Amino acid sequence: GENVEQHPSTLSVQEGDSAVIKCTYSDSASNYFPWYKQELGKRPQLIIDIRSNVGEKKDQRIAVTLNKTAKHFSLHITETQPEDSAVYFCAARADTGTASKLTFGTGTRLQVTL
Amino acid sequence: DAGVTQSPTHLIKTRGQQVTLRCSPKSGHDTVSWYQQALGQGPQFIFQYYEEEERQRGNFPDRFSGHQFPNYSSELNVNALLLGDSALYLCASSPYLAGGRNNEQFFGPGTRLTVL
Repeated sequence: GENVEQHPSTLSVQEGDSAVIKCTYSDSASNYFPWYKQELGKRPQLIIDIRSNVGEKKDQRIAVTLNKTAKHFSLHITETQPEDSAVYFCAARADTGTASKLTFGTGTRLQVTL
Repeated sequence: DAGVTQSPTHLIKTRGQQVTLRCSPKSGHDTVSWYQQALGQGPQFIFQYYEEEERQRGNFPDRFSGHQFPNYSSELNVNALLLGDSALYLCASSPYLAGGRNNEQFFGPGTRLTVL
């Protein structure tokens, strides 16, 4: 089955700096890669996603890149703000038939300091 | 639109007991997935229901079972609870589209289960 590895497990940056979180996946059939943000005690919320037919996607301060050949994808947050502090999860999914199982990474705790 | 809702919010059980968790999907969604999130870990897929049938299952024992009702709501049942079943149980709903494309999963707030 699919295996998703995520690094680093913790990341501390100063406000205004950039943060990068990296994930690798094992199943070459995976073609959908969402990123979720989970604040303490709250539900995971989708912040950006990318499909395998696209190499990069941006949404304001957030961008995701995908390298299908190397089977890795990354989340980039620029101009970080204190409210970006949370746990971020990457995930992978193979869209085949009725299957929509997400396999998650182990998470990155991002701390944005003033 | 209330989004995905789950009940109860918190639950405390003892080893060996049985528990039922409930989920109502977002309006317009017909597919429900259940995930277990242990403390400090990413969510782990338990199973998914569509058209009242279990469509896909993760690596969880038969003690974990589920059901989907005609109104698309779903239940997760866990029998013979173990200490290791303590976790946040998340329900996610999505609309089924042919080929599974573009069906973003929206998560509910979760049920925090503590097994003593």
